[in-house]
Formats: sequence, structure tokens, C-alpha cells
Amino acid sequence: AQKITQTQPGMFVQEKEAVTLDCTYDTSDPSYGLFWYKQPSSGEMIFLIYQGSYDQQNATEGRYSLNFQKARKSANLVISASQLGDSAMYFCAMRTNMEYGNKLVFGAGTILRVKS
Amino acid sequence: KAGVTQTPRYLIKTRGQQVTLSCSPISGHRSVSWYQQTPGQGLQFLFEYFSETQRNKGNFPGRFSGRQFSNSRSEMNVSTLELGDSALYLCASSLVDTRPGELFFGEGSRLTVL
Repeated sequence: AQKITQTQPGMFVQEKEAVTLDCTYDTSDPSYGLFWYKQPSSGEMIFLIYQGSYDQQNATEGRYSLNFQKARKSANLVISASQLGDSAMYFCAMRTNMEYGNKLVFGAGTILRVKS
Repeated sequence: KAGVTQTPRYLIKTRGQQVTLSCSPISGHRSVSWYQQTPGQGLQFLFEYFSETQRNKGNFPGRFSGRQFSNSRSEMNVSTLELGDSALYLCASSLVDTRPGELFFGEGSRLTVL
């Protein structure tokens, strides 16, 4: 079965500093994709970054980067230069090719609070 | 370009009633999927529709159903509501040929069952 584990229920970071949100995953499928989403208090899920299991390089999208360590089955999100607007819930998610279509398995999430 | 639109945004029902939630995907998107979000269970996949056909289904009872219309708009229905159905219901749409799983979500419909 596919599983995502986010062990940090909540995190604090000082504005302008970098922060790492942890994510580990479990799957027996050799082909999979890993995602991070941001959910502000409004409820909308905002796509941040994607990493494919066969991608050779770590994904980067602006201030977001994904530290992908395949052997350790981890896909940590790094946010550089934190801003007050980064305060939100962050979810790690996974899709495997075992099932066709757009089904994601989500972790429990990490609440990030950016302090000024 | 308009995003994913969900209606209604908030609603209150009583046990035993039924509810229908609507989702209008981004123009051109043919895949629509639904997720339930609760504090206890987190985000759970309900089902996905593509070209009016259900192609994936999560582990929910038959009280939860959905459909997709020819214009890709989707509805989900929950019959015989229970207190545990109180949740944020999120709809997501996707182009078939984008990176698999890149979903664009709406703001959700928050259902409260009394």
C-alpha cells in the first residue's frame, strides 16, 4: 500500500530564513510522483512542486525545492527566504502508476507559521 | 483563466438528508476528482471522472456517488447524511496530458451535518 508520512505537526520559522518540511513515503511501485501542496486558511490547495521517481535532479520552483533522496524514500520540501504569506498547511502527496488516473495519497500535513 | 469553481461554499444539513455538490473544472480540463478532508482522517480520495466515466474510486460507502457531464462539470452526492460526513469536500481538475497528478483544486465546499 502507498503511504505518506509527515512527522512534523507544526513548524515555526523566522521571516527570511529557510525551512525544511519532512516527508517520507512508502511504495513498491518503481514509478511514482511526489508532490507538495500548500493550503492556506481559505481551503484551496495550491500546487507547489513535483518530483518524478526517475528524475535525476531535484525539482526546483522559485523559492521551493524538493530534496529527493530515493534510497531513504524521503522528499523534503525546502522553502528559502520565508515570507509571512508562507504561513499555511503543507501537504506531501504521492501518485503511483499502479492505478491509472489522478489519485493522490496525502500525508497528514505540517502547519507552518512564519514569524516576523 | 478561471480556476476550479465549487458550489456551494458552505452548507448545513441534518442527519438523514442528502446533499449535492457541484464542481466546474478549468476550461479544457477533462479529469475531475473529489477529495474529502476531515481533521481526523485528513485528505482522502473519493473518486475521479474522466470523459463522463468514473475511472477511480476510493474506499467510501455507496452513499457517496458522483457523475460528470459532457461539459466536464461534475457533481457529487451524499445520501443519508451522517455526522461523520461533516468535512471540506475538495474538487480538482486536470488536463490529461499534464504531469500526472498535477491537480488544480477549488476552494472546497464545507459541509456541516447536524
